Amino acid sequence: QKEVEQNSGPLSVPEGAIASLNCTYSDRGSQSFFWYRQYSGKSPELIMSIYSNGDKEDGRFTAQLNKASQYVSLLIRDSQPSDSATYLCAVKRGYKLSFGAGTTVTVRA
Amino acid sequence: GAVVSQHPSWVICKSGTSVKIECRSLDFQATTMFWYRQFPKQSLMLMATSNEGSKATYEQGVEKDKFLINHASLTLSTLTVTSAHPEDSSFYICSARASSGGASYNEQFFGPGTRLTVL
Repeated sequence: QKEVEQNSGPLSVPEGAIASLNCTYSDRGSQSFFWYRQYSGKSPELIMSIYSNGDKEDGRFTAQLNKASQYVSLLIRDSQPSDSATYLCAVKRGYKLSFGAGTTVTVRA
Repeated sequence: GAVVSQHPSWVICKSGTSVKIECRSLDFQATTMFWYRQFPKQSLMLMATSNEGSKATYEQGVEKDKFLINHASLTLSTLTVTSAHPEDSSFYICSARASSGGASYNEQFFGPGTRLTVL
Protein backbone atom coordinates (compact mmCIF):
# COMPACT_ATOMS: atom_id res chain seq x y z
CA GLN A 1 0.00 0.00 0.00
CA LYS A 2 1.33 3.40 -0.97
CA GLU A 3 1.82 5.88 1.83
CA VAL A 4 -0.09 8.61 0.03
CA GLU A 5 -2.63 7.99 -2.71
CA GLN A 6 -4.34 10.49 -4.95
CA ASN A 7 -6.89 10.38 -7.76
CA SER A 8 -4.79 9.60 -10.80
CA GLY A 9 -6.60 12.10 -12.98
CA PRO A 10 -6.32 13.91 -15.23
CA LEU A 11 -9.13 16.14 -14.03
CA SER A 12 -10.63 18.51 -16.54
CA VAL A 13 -12.93 21.29 -15.36
CA PRO A 14 -14.42 24.31 -17.12
CA GLU A 15 -13.29 27.75 -16.14
CA GLY A 16 -15.22 29.01 -13.13
CA ALA A 17 -16.09 25.54 -11.86
CA ILE A 18 -14.93 23.80 -8.69
CA ALA A 19 -12.07 21.33 -8.91
CA SER A 20 -12.10 18.66 -6.20
CA LEU A 21 -8.95 16.71 -5.36
CA ASN A 22 -8.74 13.81 -2.95
CA CYS A 23 -5.94 12.17 -1.03
CA THR A 24 -5.71 9.29 1.43
CA TYR A 25 -2.77 8.30 3.57
CA SER A 26 -1.83 5.12 5.37
CA ASP A 27 0.16 6.29 8.40
CA ARG A 28 -2.16 7.20 11.28
CA GLY A 29 0.76 8.88 13.03
CA SER A 30 0.98 11.55 10.33
CA GLN A 31 0.97 15.00 11.82
CA SER A 32 0.90 17.57 9.05
CA PHE A 33 -0.70 17.72 5.65
CA PHE A 34 0.12 19.83 2.66
CA TRP A 35 -1.02 20.55 -0.86
CA TYR A 36 1.57 21.61 -3.42
CA ARG A 37 1.06 22.85 -6.95
CA GLN A 38 3.63 21.89 -9.55
CA TYR A 39 3.77 23.35 -13.02
CA SER A 40 5.47 21.31 -15.71
CA GLY A 41 9.25 21.47 -15.39
CA LYS A 42 9.09 23.43 -12.14
CA SER A 43 9.48 22.50 -8.50
CA PRO A 44 6.49 22.24 -6.12
CA GLU A 45 4.96 25.35 -4.63
CA LEU A 46 3.15 25.15 -1.29
CA ILE A 47 -0.45 26.32 -1.55
CA MET A 48 -2.07 24.94 1.61
CA SER A 49 -1.12 23.37 4.90
CA ILE A 50 -3.53 21.86 7.41
CA TYR A 51 -2.83 20.34 10.79
CA SER A 52 -6.17 19.70 12.49
CA ASN A 53 -9.48 18.17 11.51
CA GLY A 54 -11.92 20.37 9.64
CA ASP A 55 -11.71 22.93 6.90
CA LYS A 56 -9.15 25.59 6.18
CA GLU A 57 -9.81 28.26 3.60
CA ASP A 58 -7.31 30.49 1.83
CA GLY A 59 -8.69 32.53 -1.02
CA ARG A 60 -10.10 30.19 -3.65
CA PHE A 61 -8.60 27.13 -1.97
CA THR A 62 -10.16 25.06 0.79
CA ALA A 63 -8.41 22.11 2.40
CA GLN A 64 -10.29 19.53 4.41
CA LEU A 65 -8.79 17.04 6.81
CA ASN A 66 -10.40 14.01 8.41
CA LYS A 67 -7.84 12.12 10.45
CA ALA A 68 -10.27 9.36 11.43
CA SER A 69 -10.79 8.56 7.75
CA GLN A 70 -7.15 9.37 6.88
CA TYR A 71 -8.41 11.65 4.17
CA VAL A 72 -7.36 15.07 2.91
CA SER A 73 -9.00 17.03 0.13
CA LEU A 74 -8.51 20.26 -1.74
CA LEU A 75 -11.22 22.31 -3.39
CA ILE A 76 -10.37 24.97 -5.93
CA ARG A 77 -13.26 27.36 -6.44
CA ASP A 78 -13.73 29.56 -9.49
CA SER A 79 -11.05 27.60 -11.35
CA GLN A 80 -8.86 29.63 -13.67
CA PRO A 81 -6.70 28.48 -16.60
CA SER A 82 -3.67 29.42 -14.47
CA ASP A 83 -4.72 26.69 -12.02
CA SER A 84 -3.85 24.08 -14.64
CA ALA A 85 -1.05 22.12 -12.99
CA THR A 86 -0.30 18.94 -11.10
CA TYR A 87 -1.38 19.01 -7.47
CA LEU A 88 0.63 16.99 -5.00
CA CYS A 89 -0.67 15.86 -1.64
CA ALA A 90 2.06 15.53 0.98
CA VAL A 91 1.91 14.02 4.43
CA LYS A 92 4.45 14.55 7.14
CA ARG A 93 5.47 12.40 10.07
CA GLY A 94 8.52 13.47 12.00
CA TYR A 95 11.02 14.87 9.54
CA LYS A 96 9.80 12.97 6.52
CA LEU A 97 7.47 14.39 3.90
CA SER A 98 5.82 11.75 1.70
CA PHE A 99 4.21 12.74 -1.57
CA GLY A 100 1.39 11.30 -3.59
CA ALA A 101 1.80 10.77 -7.31
CA GLY A 102 -0.18 13.92 -8.04
CA THR A 103 -3.38 14.78 -9.86
CA THR A 104 -3.13 16.77 -13.06
CA VAL A 105 -5.80 19.42 -13.39
CA THR A 106 -6.69 21.11 -16.65
CA VAL A 107 -8.97 24.13 -16.57
CA ARG A 108 -10.50 24.68 -19.98
CA ALA A 109 -11.52 28.16 -21.01
CA GLY B 1 11.22 35.34 2.59
CA ALA B 2 12.05 31.61 2.64
CA VAL B 3 13.80 31.49 -0.71
CA VAL B 4 15.83 28.47 -1.72
CA SER B 5 18.08 28.50 -4.76
CA GLN B 6 19.72 25.69 -6.69
CA HIS B 7 22.62 25.74 -9.05
CA PRO B 8 22.86 24.79 -11.82
CA SER B 9 19.28 24.79 -13.07
CA TRP B 10 20.18 22.23 -15.70
CA VAL B 11 23.25 20.21 -16.59
CA ILE B 12 24.19 17.79 -19.34
CA CYS B 13 27.14 15.52 -18.75
CA LYS B 14 28.82 12.46 -20.20
CA SER B 15 28.40 9.05 -18.64
CA GLY B 16 31.01 8.39 -15.97
CA THR B 17 31.51 11.99 -14.92
CA SER B 18 30.50 13.54 -11.59
CA VAL B 19 28.09 16.41 -11.17
CA LYS B 20 27.71 18.70 -8.16
CA ILE B 21 24.43 20.45 -7.39
CA GLU B 22 24.25 23.26 -4.84
CA CYS B 23 21.26 24.15 -2.68
CA ARG B 24 21.23 27.43 -0.77
CA SER B 25 18.76 29.00 1.62
CA LEU B 26 19.02 32.69 0.78
CA ASP B 27 17.22 34.46 3.60
CA PHE B 28 17.04 31.98 6.43
CA GLN B 29 19.18 29.42 8.18
CA ALA B 30 18.35 25.81 7.43
CA THR B 31 19.41 23.22 9.95
CA THR B 32 17.94 20.53 7.76
CA MET B 33 17.90 20.20 4.00
CA PHE B 34 16.29 17.47 1.95
CA TRP B 35 17.15 16.08 -1.46
CA TYR B 36 14.45 14.67 -3.72
CA ARG B 37 14.46 13.07 -7.13
CA GLN B 38 11.58 13.18 -9.57
CA PHE B 39 11.35 11.06 -12.71
CA PRO B 40 8.97 12.10 -15.51
CA LYS B 41 5.28 11.67 -14.63
CA GLN B 42 6.20 10.49 -11.14
CA SER B 43 6.11 12.10 -7.75
CA LEU B 44 8.96 13.34 -5.63
CA MET B 45 10.96 10.68 -3.85
CA LEU B 46 13.04 11.61 -0.84
CA MET B 47 16.65 10.58 -1.35
CA ALA B 48 18.30 11.85 1.79
CA THR B 49 18.11 14.25 4.68
CA SER B 50 21.11 16.36 5.56
CA ASN B 51 21.72 18.12 8.82
CA GLU B 52 24.32 20.83 9.14
CA GLY B 53 27.57 19.46 10.44
CA SER B 54 26.62 15.80 10.42
CA LYS B 55 26.35 12.91 7.99
CA ALA B 56 23.32 12.67 5.77
CA THR B 57 20.62 10.10 6.36
CA TYR B 58 19.79 8.20 3.19
CA GLU B 59 16.47 6.60 2.34
CA GLN B 60 16.31 2.91 1.64
CA GLY B 61 17.57 2.05 -1.81
CA VAL B 62 19.62 5.22 -2.29
CA GLU B 63 23.35 4.56 -2.69
CA LYS B 64 25.22 6.84 -0.34
CA ASP B 65 28.51 6.31 -2.18
CA LYS B 66 26.95 7.39 -5.43
CA PHE B 67 25.02 10.39 -4.12
CA LEU B 68 27.38 12.31 -1.87
CA ILE B 69 25.79 14.94 0.31
CA ASN B 70 27.60 17.65 2.21
CA HIS B 71 25.88 20.17 4.48
CA ALA B 72 28.78 22.29 5.61
CA SER B 73 26.88 25.41 6.66
CA LEU B 74 23.41 26.50 7.71
CA THR B 75 22.76 27.89 4.23
CA LEU B 76 24.41 25.42 1.87
CA SER B 77 24.03 21.75 1.04
CA THR B 78 25.55 20.02 -1.97
CA LEU B 79 24.65 16.82 -3.78
CA THR B 80 27.30 15.18 -5.92
CA VAL B 81 26.23 12.49 -8.34
CA THR B 82 29.36 10.42 -8.82
CA SER B 83 30.05 8.40 -11.97
CA ALA B 84 26.73 9.44 -13.44
CA HIS B 85 24.92 7.13 -15.84
CA PRO B 86 21.91 7.70 -18.11
CA GLU B 87 19.58 6.15 -15.52
CA ASP B 88 20.55 8.97 -13.13
CA SER B 89 18.95 11.47 -15.49
CA SER B 90 16.22 13.09 -13.47
CA PHE B 91 14.94 16.28 -11.86
CA TYR B 92 16.73 16.82 -8.55
CA ILE B 93 15.02 19.12 -6.07
CA CYS B 94 16.23 20.29 -2.70
CA SER B 95 14.19 21.72 0.11
CA ALA B 96 15.09 23.42 3.35
CA ARG B 97 13.46 23.69 6.73
CA ALA B 98 14.05 26.78 8.83
CA SER B 99 16.09 26.25 11.97
CA SER B 100 14.02 28.63 14.11
CA GLY B 101 10.58 28.01 15.53
CA GLY B 102 7.16 29.22 14.44
CA ALA B 103 4.70 27.92 11.90
CA SER B 104 7.21 28.04 9.09
CA TYR B 105 9.41 25.58 10.97
CA ASN B 106 7.04 22.80 9.94
CA GLU B 107 7.20 23.67 6.27
CA GLN B 108 9.74 22.77 3.67
CA PHE B 109 10.67 25.39 1.12
CA PHE B 110 11.67 23.98 -2.24
CA GLY B 111 14.39 25.05 -4.58
CA PRO B 112 13.65 25.44 -8.29
CA GLY B 113 15.21 22.08 -9.15
CA THR B 114 18.10 20.90 -11.31
CA ARG B 115 17.48 18.96 -14.49
CA LEU B 116 20.28 16.41 -14.98
CA THR B 117 20.73 14.69 -18.31
CA VAL B 118 23.45 12.06 -18.59
CA LEU B 119 24.42 11.12 -22.14
